[in-house]
Amino acid sequence: QVQLVQSGSELKKPGASVKISCNTSGYNFTNYYVNWVRQAPGQGLEWMGWINTNTGNPTYAQGFTGRFVFSLDTSVSTAFLQISSLQPDDTAVYFCAREGVVPAAMMADYWGQGTLVTVSS
Amino acid sequence: DIQMTQSPSSLSASVGERVTITCRASRSIAGFLNWFQQKPGKAPTVLIYGAYRLQSGVPSRFSGHGSDTDFTLTISSLQPEDSATYYCQQAYSKRTFGQGTKVEVK
Repeated sequence: QVQLVQSGSELKKPGASVKISCNTSGYNFTNYYVNWVRQAPGQGLEWMGWINTNTGNPTYAQGFTGRFVFSLDTSVSTAFLQISSLQPDDTAVYFCAREGVVPAAMMADYWGQGTLVTVSS
Repeated sequence: DIQMTQSPSSLSASVGERVTITCRASRSIAGFLNWFQQKPGKAPTVLIYGAYRLQSGVPSRFSGHGSDTDFTLTISSLQPEDSATYYCQQAYSKRTFGQGTKVEVK
């Protein structure tokens, strides 16, 4: 069955970096994009961007350029989100989600369980 | 970027009632509109994609309508397990979520 399993919670100090993994299984990794979505405590969902798992080309939403980097290790069907220069307002749950590339499947149908990143001194 | 505006931000309704949530796009997105349900502490799940297509396994009391800039999600007969926050998302150009509608079941 399709699974996206994310790495565990992280506690970081301001200025540090974090790298979250999204390990996928049960489907052809390169047939689906991987989205990244942020949810701050008590807030709504924010689309951060996605990565084309076929080409490795990332697309970032406004507000998620510079400190945010999407990457892949296709040999183990895993996507990564790295955030540098962490600030307290980066405290959030980060989700990965796969999305199909054909018009009939352009929706995030399977999601990871979420990774809580807490930034605090 | 395309902005998505949902209304209302919250609602409370009784079991069996019909509930409708509205989502408006800042410009035309044709029929590229998805609806998600999120329960506390859980990842979102897709209910409707392509404006009206019911995702496999989703109860038929959920339905979606609309095109261009105006869309609705309707729950025909609200059930206790429908207590959640609902998000629309445009899938026309990159992706954008609405701000969410919290549904409470009395």
